[in-house]
Amino acid sequence: QLQLQESGPGLVKPSETLSLTCTVSGGSISHYSRFWGWIRQPPGKGLEWIGSVYYTGSTYYNPSLKSRVTISGDTSKNQLFLRLSSLTAADTALYYCVRHEYLPGATVDSWGQGTLVTVSS
Amino acid sequence: QSVLTQPPSVSGAPGQRVTISCTGSSSNIGGGYDVQWYQQLPGAAPKLLIFGDVNRPSGVPDRFSGSKSGTSASLAITGLQAEDEAIYYCQSYDSGLTGFVIFGGGTRLTVL
Repeated sequence: QLQLQESGPGLVKPSETLSLTCTVSGGSISHYSRFWGWIRQPPGKGLEWIGSVYYTGSTYYNPSLKSRVTISGDTSKNQLFLRLSSLTAADTALYYCVRHEYLPGATVDSWGQGTLVTVSS
Repeated sequence: QSVLTQPPSVSGAPGQRVTISCTGSSSNIGGGYDVQWYQQLPGAAPKLLIFGDVNRPSGVPDRFSGSKSGTSASLAITGLQAEDEAIYYCQSYDSGLTGFVIFGGGTRLTVL
């Protein structure tokens, strides 16, 4: 059974860079035709896709975050990484590691439990 | 503001039927891309409820059903139960500039 586990700092200062790791078990991030990505949810608000990486290494980002986001993967460790720079309070959210398809609908079929990140001085 | 539009809330009594709408545009739902629905219970990660417009993953009761027409999709829940109280999100793919994976703003279902 596929499991995704996020890890990282729970508290980050404004203007700093957030680094999160997602450790995948029960499946390979180099699996053909699957994307691995990050989705976040501010407290009490909806879901926002941050970006994804394909098994080939190609990356896709939400245009609204593209200038601040880097997503990568380490196939040897079966881990996914998120880096988000120039943090503000608006980046406070629950960050989920996910697996999703491409077409015909980019179905998100696996979710981690999420890790809460608070941006505050 | 979400790319897909959902009503903020719906409610119904136990046993009743409720529907949740999801409206998009020609670059997503109207472009023929599949719609998915997720259920998020309090304190939990979203769970896939409907995929490919109308399909239920194994284990999802047949009280939940999906449909799509034009630029809109709907989730119907029949025989409403107390444990259905949750937030429901629609999701699709967008071929435009708004992103790869898009969501509706979520609809809170209250079971009266």
